[in-house]
Amino acid sequence: DIQMTQSPSSLSVSVGDRVTISCRTSQSVGSYLNWYQQKPGQAPKVLIYGASNLQNGVPSRFSGSGSGTEFTLTISGLQPEDFAIYYCQQNYIFPDTFGLGTKLEIK
Amino acid sequence: QVQLQESGPGLVKPSETMSLTCSVSSGSISGHYWAWIRQTPGKGLEWMGYIFYSGRTTYNPSLKSRAALSVDRSQNQVSLTLTSVTAADTAVYYCARHFCSGTNCYQDVWGQGTTVTVS
Repeated sequence: DIQMTQSPSSLSVSVGDRVTISCRTSQSVGSYLNWYQQKPGQAPKVLIYGASNLQNGVPSRFSGSGSGTEFTLTISGLQPEDFAIYYCQQNYIFPDTFGLGTKLEIK
Repeated sequence: QVQLQESGPGLVKPSETMSLTCSVSSGSISGHYWAWIRQTPGKGLEWMGYIFYSGRTTYNPSLKSRAALSVDRSQNQVSLTLTSVTAADTAVYYCARHFCSGTNCYQDVWGQGTTVTVS
């Protein structure tokens, strides 16, 4: 299976900050990389698919970039509702695999 | 907007078989793939498999043939059966719609999840 490494595992940030989360894959996945947000007690919610495509209804402060093995999720101007855990997922090589998550905490 | 709701026993004994159901409302299961994903504190999110509304299935090999997915189109439901469960199967189980935009596939609608404890 493809291994997914997210960094950092946690991040203390403030409202208004620009946040960058990294995801590295053990082999190239092209652009087949998705990002999800999960809040406590809720299911994950897709934010970005295909590395850089914003899912309908997701605020434009979220953006994704990268290809191959290195990917980034950026949140420009963190809002209070963005404190959550973020996961990357590859769907290029069967089976789909997820990263262990990056938790955004209030500084 | 389509909604998903998982249901099933919250507690299962080791070596037994667990069965979960995902009820789909405000939409049809027809024309879509439906995935099951579980989440544990230790291993995180694990993609278990998916089923097309026609019944075609794909499973994660890590489940070693213990999992079986089925659809009931008349009830608009998808089901997961997992045999020979152990403590390692204790998790929150989610059903989700597996959606593809071109060749980019992801889970775009999720149920709230159901917790299963094996003990």
